Amino acid sequence: EAQLVESGGGLVQPGGSLRLSCAASGFTFSRYWMSWVRQAPGKGLEWVANIKQDGSEKYYVDSVKGRFTISRDNGRNSLYLQMNNLRAEDTAVYYCAREWEWEVLFHYYSYMDAWGKGTTVTVSS
Amino acid sequence: DIQMTQSPSSLSASVGDRVTITCRASQSISSYLNWYQQKPGKAPKLLIYAASSLQSGVPSRFSGGGSGTDFTLTISSLQPEDFATYYCQQSYTTPRTFGQGTKVEIK
Repeated sequence: EAQLVESGGGLVQPGGSLRLSCAASGFTFSRYWMSWVRQAPGKGLEWVANIKQDGSEKYYVDSVKGRFTISRDNGRNSLYLQMNNLRAEDTAVYYCAREWEWEVLFHYYSYMDAWGKGTTVTVSS
Repeated sequence: DIQMTQSPSSLSASVGDRVTITCRASQSISSYLNWYQQKPGKAPKLLIYAASSLQSGVPSRFSGGGSGTDFTLTISSLQPEDFATYYCQQSYTTPRTFGQGTKVEIK
């Protein structure tokens, strides 16, 4: 059974940095796209970024471009999110999620079928 | 970016009721649409993928439909464990976007 465990959250001042980690087990990590999704207190889900199996493609939501960097280490079965220049609006629970992608006649479908429990990031002075 | 709009934002229903939630995309997304369930303090759980395919282990009372811009999630007979918030999400392009959520509460 797939298991994802996030860590690295905490309280940080505006302008500060944090690095989130996600440890994967129970599946072949290198076969999957991986994503970060966040949820601000009392709000809905917001997709943040994802990364291809070999790390060659990375995509971000506009609000974090230039500040956040997603990366992975397939040898360590780990996903990371480096967050710099943090703002109050980045305060959220951050989830890592496994993203399964499959092709049907050159159309690529995907869904997030395994999620961690989340790690909380609070940006406040 | 593709905007996803769910309706209603919340609803009250009784055990045994048939419940339908609607999700509309700001442009056509074919069938690149997933549905998730989230309970308070928990991670989201995948229910439906590719608009109408039931994820393994999800009860058959859940069903999805639609294509293009208009989609539905239907719970045929609401059970006590179904009281939660439901989100649609498009996987047509990045950024992947979610609807704002529909909270299903007990009447």
